[in-house]
Amino acid sequence: ETGVTQTPRHLVMGMTNKKSLKCEQHLGHNAMYWYKQSAKKPLELMFVYSLEERVENNSVPSRFSPECPNSSHLFLHLHTLQPEDSALYLCASSQGAGQGGNTQYFGPGTRLTVL
Amino acid sequence: GQQLNQSPQSMFIQEGEDVSMNCTSSSIFNTWLWYKQDPGEGPVLLIALYKAGELTSNGSLTAQFGITRKDSFLNISASIPSDVGIYFCAGRSNIDSGYALNFGKGTSLLVTP
Repeated sequence: ETGVTQTPRHLVMGMTNKKSLKCEQHLGHNAMYWYKQSAKKPLELMFVYSLEERVENNSVPSRFSPECPNSSHLFLHLHTLQPEDSALYLCASSQGAGQGGNTQYFGPGTRLTVL
Repeated sequence: GQQLNQSPQSMFIQEGEDVSMNCTSSSIFNTWLWYKQDPGEGPVLLIALYKAGELTSNGSLTAQFGITRKDSFLNISASIPSDVGIYFCAGRSNIDSGYALNFGKGTSLLVTP
């Protein structure tokens, strides 16, 4: 399999549930990203990992918890979410980060609905 | 990050017509990217540009990195129904800190047979 894959593609959860989103990149990249895309809003960068180290956390609520066990895998652990967290969550990867990692490749996304 | 100025916001054209959209920034960019996003899917990278004046094609798509380094355009020749989607420009300037790409608001393209 090539590119960036994400599972699940769709997720419906209640506000008290705990779930995890998974991302895997098959491009040999060393940086991975989580973005949130809400309706009629620009893409919001949530987290960035470079060489498995978190290098950016853009004021994201603690109910979102990222994990990067190795350079190919990225998780987003979710707990006690709110309905306004419903959105398309996109994973991306690049070779390098910051000025060295301008070309980001996106996965297909997970459509999350919080009831 | 900065918001890029992408236009037009939407286009409604007939199959076979050519399409042109552009993106401008307030600062000099060192990378311009063009993505296409279908409903419920992630953005797919169409063309990446790294040098002022660079002109790159991908099938019926052609994109250019503006000479001023503050703009880029994307052309689609002889559009077909599968060109329908939202096209985003994105990029970075030398002065950008952090790791986020700057994105345009997107151009929504509708193509009628």
